[in-house]
Amino acid sequence: QKEVEQNSGPLSVPEGAIASLNCTYSDRGSQSFFWYRQYSGKSPELIMSIYSNGDKEDGRFTAQLNKASQYVSLLIRDSQPSDSATYLCAVGPGATNKLIFGTGTLLAVQP
Amino acid sequence: DAGVIQSPRHEVTEMGQEVTLRCKPISGHDYLFWYRQTMMRGLELLIYFNNNVPIDDSGMPEDRFSAKMPNASFSTLKIQPSEPRDSAVYFCASRWEGAVADTQYFGPGTRLTVL
Repeated sequence: QKEVEQNSGPLSVPEGAIASLNCTYSDRGSQSFFWYRQYSGKSPELIMSIYSNGDKEDGRFTAQLNKASQYVSLLIRDSQPSDSATYLCAVGPGATNKLIFGTGTLLAVQP
Repeated sequence: DAGVIQSPRHEVTEMGQEVTLRCKPISGHDYLFWYRQTMMRGLELLIYFNNNVPIDDSGMPEDRFSAKMPNASFSTLKIQPSEPRDSAVYFCASRWEGAVADTQYFGPGTRLTVL
């Protein structure tokens, strides 16, 4: 089992819709959770972080964390074509004391 | 702030050659990370330093890879000899101990192609 799992996609949504990206992790000791956005040919860029159960909102982005289910998600409201990118889920520090990345979900927002 | 700086941005070399990748972390950051990204394996941590000291190099694929951090503003990742399977994008990232846990900032990456 991979330490951080994401559906590779592509996830295709129409412009203006809500995009829902999901991530599960295996290390129950994990304390910090991040979503990075990576445009093609660019470096990962941090867009959201969350540390406690529940929701955290920042503009059009909402991160959701459920530690009991070892599940973290990212919702993007009013999706725009400029949101088209790969979204990387990262988890840490757990037992490994390192940030572990998922392989990413490719999001395509159709105009 | 200039952000994390990496050089070169692109490197094409032949199998067997030595490759040196360079990184300048954000000033004041005391953690530095080297990652490798491929389509097959995603983003993998190779090694990280804290206050210039290597803390965990368990991700370094084999003895052909080595990394150094001689001072707080410079690090190198060396591959000798290089092989075609080393072709990937190599990212350097840094963070500050006092920041929110594990918030890392990435450099632009070095795209390495080994022929």
